[in-house]
Amino acid sequence: EVQLVESGGGLVQPGRSLRLSCAASGFTFDDYAMHWVRQVPGKGLEWVSGISWNSGSIGYADSVKGRFTISRDNAKNSLYLQMNSLRAEDTALYYCAKDIWVGGGSHGSPSFDPWGQGTRVTVSS
Amino acid sequence: QSVLTQPPSASGTPGQRVTISCSGSSSNIGSNTVNWYQQLPGTAPKLLIYSDNQRPSGVPDRFSGSKSGTSASLAISGLHSEDEADYFCAAWDDSLNGPVFGGGTKLTVL
Repeated sequence: EVQLVESGGGLVQPGRSLRLSCAASGFTFDDYAMHWVRQVPGKGLEWVSGISWNSGSIGYADSVKGRFTISRDNAKNSLYLQMNSLRAEDTALYYCAKDIWVGGGSHGSPSFDPWGQGTRVTVSS
Repeated sequence: QSVLTQPPSASGTPGQRVTISCSGSSSNIGSNTVNWYQQLPGTAPKLLIYSDNQRPSGVPDRFSGSKSGTSASLAISGLHSEDEADYFCAAWDDSLNGPVFGGGTKLTVL
């Protein structure tokens, strides 16, 4: 069974940092691009960042560019999101998601399946 | 405000056919494929339709997608009570150089 499990969320003060992790299992992790998508409870979805299968292609939403860094460790079947200079507007449920296309890059149609259960990030003083 | 525009709500009775629209522009739907997601209450989104009209394995053929110009639609036929959920459309946007989502449509089964 394909499974994605996020961790690392929590309550953090504005301006501080947080690192999210996503542990993948049940598929050949280094065959697929991976993404982070966030959702404010009761609101819509916002793509945050994506990384190609080999880390050769990376993309960020303008809202997080320069503050967030996506990375992956294929040997550990893990995806990461380093979030620096956090703002109140970064408060959301953060999902990691697998691209459906083998060998996909960070850019392309957002066909994500499956998604993890999400990890909650709250930025507040 | 979302780049892709969806009606905030839709409703239907069991067995009925409902459609949910998604309006975009030439930089997203007009030049790229559309995906649809279903989000049941308290759960993560699930891919329902990809590449405009393709269903992942396991998705019932009651769900179908279509696209024309800069708009797309999700149709659900033979509505079931368990179809009550939020539905989101999504596409790549060439101008923003990233994926964009609709604001979501809350489907109520009366």
